[in-house]
Amino acid sequence: NAGVTQTPKFRVLKTGQSMTLLCAQDMNHEYMYWYRQDPGMGLRLIHYSVGEGTTAKGEVPDGYNVSRLKKQNFLLGLESAAPSQTSVYFCASSYGTSGTDTQYFGPGTRLTVL
Amino acid sequence: SQKIEQNSEALNIQEGKTATLTCNYTNYSPAYLQWYRQDPGRGPVFLLLIRENEKEKRKERLKVTFDTTLKQSLFHITASQPADSATYLCAPCGYSNYQLIWGAGTKLIIKP
Repeated sequence: NAGVTQTPKFRVLKTGQSMTLLCAQDMNHEYMYWYRQDPGMGLRLIHYSVGEGTTAKGEVPDGYNVSRLKKQNFLLGLESAAPSQTSVYFCASSYGTSGTDTQYFGPGTRLTVL
Repeated sequence: SQKIEQNSEALNIQEGKTATLTCNYTNYSPAYLQWYRQDPGRGPVFLLLIRENEKEKRKERLKVTFDTTLKQSLFHITASQPADSATYLCAPCGYSNYQLIWGAGTKLIIKP
């Protein structure tokens, strides 16, 4: 099992460019999440999905869009990148959404916006 | 607003000693609290979960306590080893895990 994988691992964008981050999981998890991690701050939830075809906003959704067309994939899009979106992005998945359900994380994507 | 505080300064511990990390929370009454380990360049990995009605939870050399009166969780690693060096994240949680609120983490360095 590969667990949770993310592509790409690194990316540099210019302000205004767009890109899509891909997350895939092979654990048949229903729930998937996108976080960003910035120095000195905890992980912040951008968007999450409770199942194929459904998404919801997290704490910091502005400037991002997501799609969950297939159960195993969760895409994060930046339509017009801004320097404030320079961060490390993590995808995670879980079997359920109870507070006892743990989250499984991918290796992260380091994004720099110039 | 809800706030999670972990020691921002790195914690240096001699190998073999017990490392104790602190997680304090305010304006929040979590039902659960999860602890994760994060190595450089990698995603967090789950370690332990403790419920609000549990005082203590153990797993091998790890021990977590949860004091809802003090609004604090302590994470202990006994007989610490250099391989335990990592950043440890606490994440109090409501009844749904998308309500996880993450601390910034404490970097632990175990010196041989």
